[in-house]
Amino acid sequence: NAGVMQNPRHLVRRRGQEARLRCSPMKGHSHVYWYRQLPEEGLKFMVYLQKENIIDESGMPKERFSAEFPKEGPSILRIQQVVRGDSAAYFCASSPPIGTGVEQYFGPGTRLTVT
Amino acid sequence: AQSVTQLDSHVSVSEGTPVLLRCNYSSSYSPSLFWYVQHPNKGLQLLLKYTSAATLVKGINGFEAEFKKSETSFHLTKPSAHMSDAAEYFCVVSGRRDTGRRALTFGSGTRLQVQP
Repeated sequence: NAGVMQNPRHLVRRRGQEARLRCSPMKGHSHVYWYRQLPEEGLKFMVYLQKENIIDESGMPKERFSAEFPKEGPSILRIQQVVRGDSAAYFCASSPPIGTGVEQYFGPGTRLTVT
Repeated sequence: AQSVTQLDSHVSVSEGTPVLLRCNYSSSYSPSLFWYVQHPNKGLQLLLKYTSAATLVKGINGFEAEFKKSETSFHLTKPSAHMSDAAEYFCVVSGRRDTGRRALTFGSGTRLQVQP
């Protein structure tokens, strides 16, 4: 059973460009979460999605960031007009349907560098 | 709202000696608590979880943690450290299950060094 997949693993963008990060959850998991880890810090929650629905986006910056989890395909975290402060590791996690477990399983992360 | 405090940012032990990583939590409800480990430039691996069953939880690689409600603590222990245990460890609390809020709140992490 493949784990959570994220790509790309490393992404370099110049200031002002767009970054698209992809996440495929574990098989059978219908919930996806995005977290950001700044250097030397813990992970901070950004957004929680189910298929075609954003459930909780309380951790998302108000501008330039968006997330989706379409009916088909991976979840996408999109950052428009990137700035140097967006440089971080972005982790995706997935979990089984509610009632079958509360733990989240993490992907290997995408390390975004903005130059 | 919930929070976790990891009391030590760095812990250094000798190989073969016990490990203690301390975590205190704050929550207005009965929390689910986790410990995750992160090796350098890697993702996070779930070590163990507490979800209101047995208060002493056994995890992978010989780690265990005890949930103490009276002390609001969830310390991680291992009887004998191995070199491969050197990593960053995160204590984590989940959102309130009955509200559907599932965001995890992470502590700031404890870096474990294991000396030969």
